[in-house]
Amino acid sequence: DIQMTQSPSTLSASVGDRVTITCRASQSISSYLAWYQQKPGKAPKLLIYKASSLESGVPSRFSGSGSGTEFTLTISSLQPDDFATYYCQQYNTYPRTFGQGTKLDLK
Amino acid sequence: EVQLLESGGGLVQPGGSLRLSCAASGFTFSSYAMTWVRQAPGKGLEWVSVISGSGGTTYYADSVKGRFIISRDNSKNTLYLQTNSLSPEDTAVYYCAKEDWYGLDVWGQGTTVTVSS
Repeated sequence: DIQMTQSPSTLSASVGDRVTITCRASQSISSYLAWYQQKPGKAPKLLIYKASSLESGVPSRFSGSGSGTEFTLTISSLQPDDFATYYCQQYNTYPRTFGQGTKLDLK
Repeated sequence: EVQLLESGGGLVQPGGSLRLSCAASGFTFSSYAMTWVRQAPGKGLEWVSVISGSGGTTYYADSVKGRFIISRDNSKNTLYLQTNSLSPEDTAVYYCAKEDWYGLDVWGQGTTVTVSS
């Protein structure tokens, strides 16, 4: 199975900050990586697919990059609504696997 | 509107079984693979199982293989997860999600399974 490792596990930041979350795959997954945002008590929401494509309706301050085994999610200027937990997921092979999550909280 | 609605969760004793359901609407159900993802209290997301649009192909996480069975009824636009031999480690919110080629683009609100004596 492909292991997905996110860092950091927790990130404290302020409104307006630029933040980056990293996701590493244990083997190459090409660009078959998605990012999800989850708020407490809610279902996850797809933000980014194919490593760098923005899902419809997602603000342009979110961006993704990477291929192979190393990927990043960047939020260019944090807004109050962005404080949440973020997960990466590989969809190159089955079983699909998620990273352990990165909780973004207010500094 | 594209929508997924899970049901069937509840409190069950260790060793017991539950059948979870996910009713789909707003899209051509039989054209898409469907996935179950779970989240234990305070933990991250865990991919559980997927079934192809026709129902002919399934995959499972090692943690549930041999105990859980995914199925679908395309005439009823409904996805199922039969969970057997449940243990406290299976306690979680179970989400169903529509799998498009680019990821899990539609999610239900989740149904809670609690395994406890």
